Amino acid sequence: GENVEQHPSTLSVQEGDSAVIKCTYSDSASNYFPWYKQELGKGPQLIIDIRSNVGEKKDQRIAVTLNKTAKHFSLHITETQPEDSAVYFCAAIKNQGAQKLVFGQGTRLTINP
Amino acid sequence: SAVISQKPSRDICQRGTSLTIQCQVDSQVTMMFWYRQQPGQSLTLIATANQGSEATYESGFVIDKFPISRPNLTFSTLTVSNMSPEDSSIYLCSVGGGSGNTIYFGEGSWLTVV
Repeated sequence: GENVEQHPSTLSVQEGDSAVIKCTYSDSASNYFPWYKQELGKGPQLIIDIRSNVGEKKDQRIAVTLNKTAKHFSLHITETQPEDSAVYFCAAIKNQGAQKLVFGQGTRLTINP
Repeated sequence: SAVISQKPSRDICQRGTSLTIQCQVDSQVTMMFWYRQQPGQSLTLIATANQGSEATYESGFVIDKFPISRPNLTFSTLTVSNMSPEDSSIYLCSVGGGSGNTIYFGEGSWLTVV
């Protein structure tokens, strides 16, 4: 089955700097890769996603890149703000069968003012 | 995006008791899922709730411990049976999938077993 590895487990950056979180997946048939942000006491919120027919997607300060050959994808947050502090999860899914998300281990991002 | 409501949002439960969590969606959805998130951990799929048939459980989860109902396309329940402190977790309902793939989560039900 699919296995998703996420790094780093914790990340601390200065406000205004950029943050990058990386994930690798094992199943080359996976073709949809969402990123979720989870704030304390809340459920995961979808912040951006990318499909396997696209190499990069951007939404304001957030971007995701996908390298299908290397089977890895990354989340990029620019001009970080204190409200970006949260736990971020990557995930992968195949557009087949039961369509079950497999999650990475999570990254706790802290933005220092 | 779908609006997903979960009840209860938080509860403290006695060891050996059972608790049923409800998930209500504001639109009809084909796929509904239940996840568990243990303290400080990632999300693990418990089961897929199938409308009109038994839920499909993942390895390590059994129906006797986590019975699930899915009476229609907007509602599902998850029961955590005979709870022990190890069951203290966030239980999350999610919906989505299909050709669009987008999967959304509810706010979760935070259970503490004492």
